[in-house]
Amino acid sequence: DGGITQSPKYLFRKEGQNVTLSCEQNLNHDAMYWYRQDPGQGLRLIYYSQIVNDFQKGDIAEGYSVSREKKESFPLTVTSAQKNPTAFYLCASSASWGLAGSLEQFFGPGTRLTVL
Amino acid sequence: AQSVAQPEDQVNVAEGNPLTVKCTYSVSGNPYLFWYVQYPNRGLQFLLKYITGDNLVKGSYGFEAEFNKSQTSFHLKKPSALVSDSALYFCAVRDNTNAGKSTFGDGTTLTVKP
Repeated sequence: DGGITQSPKYLFRKEGQNVTLSCEQNLNHDAMYWYRQDPGQGLRLIYYSQIVNDFQKGDIAEGYSVSREKKESFPLTVTSAQKNPTAFYLCASSASWGLAGSLEQFFGPGTRLTVL
Repeated sequence: AQSVAQPEDQVNVAEGNPLTVKCTYSVSGNPYLFWYVQYPNRGLQFLLKYITGDNLVKGSYGFEAEFNKSQTSFHLKKPSALVSDSALYFCAVRDNTNAGKSTFGDGTTLTVKP
């Protein structure tokens, strides 16, 4: 089965702790993305990566960090600097521009993070 | 800067009636437009896209969308709604760089009543 997996599905964090959300894809996609979704709101882009070992800040990168050491993996760390981290986090991937017929994003099932 | 507007937070239709979920966009250059659907506590699923060509795009589950360049709109439509179509729908626009960022609208909740 091809697709994107995220783990864990639910995550609880105490204030002051860093946590890392996992995202893995076996679609051979170059680009990967992290979004945050809050109730009643759309998706806000946290970070994105066009290629291995490269990534760019999105619209709300403060308090988050990422790495892209492998093509299939794009983990997101929510640091203690993120003041309001409780949200639903979505990872996505898309093929590169060279594959013009495949620009849509494929999403994982999400991780719901709750700060206690 | 690119942006997307979904002017209706909620759309209610009766089963069997046609449905429309509205989307307008702003982007420099040629737009690449997408519709996604999200069911509760799940990730988004791709429905359809406009890249170039025919202004009427057909997608999954009987949905279609019409690209209107002069009105900068990309409304989602279905001729006959099903109760199972009830979900949260997102319109998105993407720039034409390599793996460019997509900007999503705030979403429209579609409720189809029996």
